[in-house]
Amino acid sequence: DTEVTQTPKHLVMGMTNKKSLKCEQHMGHRAMYWYKQKAKKPPELMFVYSYEKLSINESVPSRFSPECPNSSLLNLHLHALQPEDSALYLCASSRLGQGARNSPLHFGNGTRLTVT
Amino acid sequence: KNQVEQSPQSLIILEGKNCTLQCNYTVSPFSNLRWYKQDTGRGPVSLTIMTFSENTKSNGRYTATLDADTKQSSLHITASQLSDSASYICVVTRSNSGGSNYKLTFGKGTLLTVNP
Repeated sequence: DTEVTQTPKHLVMGMTNKKSLKCEQHMGHRAMYWYKQKAKKPPELMFVYSYEKLSINESVPSRFSPECPNSSLLNLHLHALQPEDSALYLCASSRLGQGARNSPLHFGNGTRLTVT
Repeated sequence: KNQVEQSPQSLIILEGKNCTLQCNYTVSPFSNLRWYKQDTGRGPVSLTIMTFSENTKSNGRYTATLDADTKQSSLHITASQLSDSASYICVVTRSNSGGSNYKLTFGKGTLLTVNP
């Protein structure tokens, strides 16, 4: 089992729905990430939070809205998604600070999202 | 352009056999190179991380090598097991000029199938 927990594991939503993906880690990591992964493709970075502040937004459409309520939690709010947004959404965390560049990303097992 | 190329795209071997996966990169400036294992429907799991000064690192039956001069890495799997069936992703970290932020460039992965 991974130390990064994502819920729900599966989500089916219509294009007019509002839903949220949740991610939690208790490793004391101060960097948290959202990635999107399509089938047979590598993960694509969406957002990075450093010390609970948004530090990187990879030009993600506004229908995806991240939130970091505290150092252990990361949410991704979804609204008015398109069918092409169907994918595996992965959360990850890592250390920050001295030597952190050489520490691994810890991934959750993802939320499989289907937009109908 | 910062790229990570992996070969082969897919590989089928018999249980108990060894195999080697390749990764070539053009990412610069280089910070480190990572190998991840991703089982179907799950998040990637870190196998090894190597910095510029390291040319080999082992994790159980997995041994990664790095030649920073030629910008090549390999992942050798010894005595393969059915559970080794997964996608193996090479990831190169680039250090921005500021030094404190970095960006990961993912390869497309090698899909390994181990048959009994």
